[in-house]
Amino acid sequence: DTAVSQTPKYLVTQMGNDKSIKCEQNLGHDTMYWYKQDSKKFLKIMFSYNNKELIINETVPNRFSPKSPDKAHLNLHINSLELGDSAVYFCASSPKGRNTGELFFGEGSRLTVL
Amino acid sequence: QQQVKQSPQSLIVQKGGISIINCAYENTAFDYFPWYQQFPGKGPALLIAIRPDVSEKKEGRFTISFNKSAKQFSLHIMDSQPGDSATYFCAASKGDFNKFYFGSGTKLNVKP
Repeated sequence: DTAVSQTPKYLVTQMGNDKSIKCEQNLGHDTMYWYKQDSKKFLKIMFSYNNKELIINETVPNRFSPKSPDKAHLNLHINSLELGDSAVYFCASSPKGRNTGELFFGEGSRLTVL
Repeated sequence: QQQVKQSPQSLIVQKGGISIINCAYENTAFDYFPWYQQFPGKGPALLIAIRPDVSEKKEGRFTISFNKSAKQFSLHIMDSQPGDSATYFCAASKGDFNKFYFGSGTKLNVKP
């Protein structure tokens, strides 16, 4: 049973389109995240939700909108896709509380914008 | 502005050798320093972590050395194996809901 699962794993789309990536965790964690890994492998946090409440919102364009229908799910919707959005997007989760340490990552969703 | 600086970018080590990856940080509020290992096509996975109240932590062949005054920490992989070939990320966080700042990654290649 996959702990943090993301769909789709690969996404190829044209500039200007809108796309969504879904994430689910079955670890019972309260906190979920979206990270972006660019072509140079640099990992940067985008958003974090704690029990459905947005707690971290880094400097991310408004075209990116996270949604957490419940604490086990965190989806990412991207409007008006641009070439620079091409990256691998990782969902992650962690146990409740401040700075408890470990992040559990999904396998990533590779987005290619043509 | 990168909060955690990592070096080298890539590293080639012979099987059985020692791999050393270094990281430096500026923010003294950081209080948790994990290392993550990422294989191609997979998400990063926690390898080992340290808090600033200790100077060293060892788990099997993996050791973190932590120098609080220099604001540096490093990962040592003893008896490196080809299966250790992966990208390694250091990270730091400071108590606010696990907001991690990652280093830029080191691609390790252990040659047989």
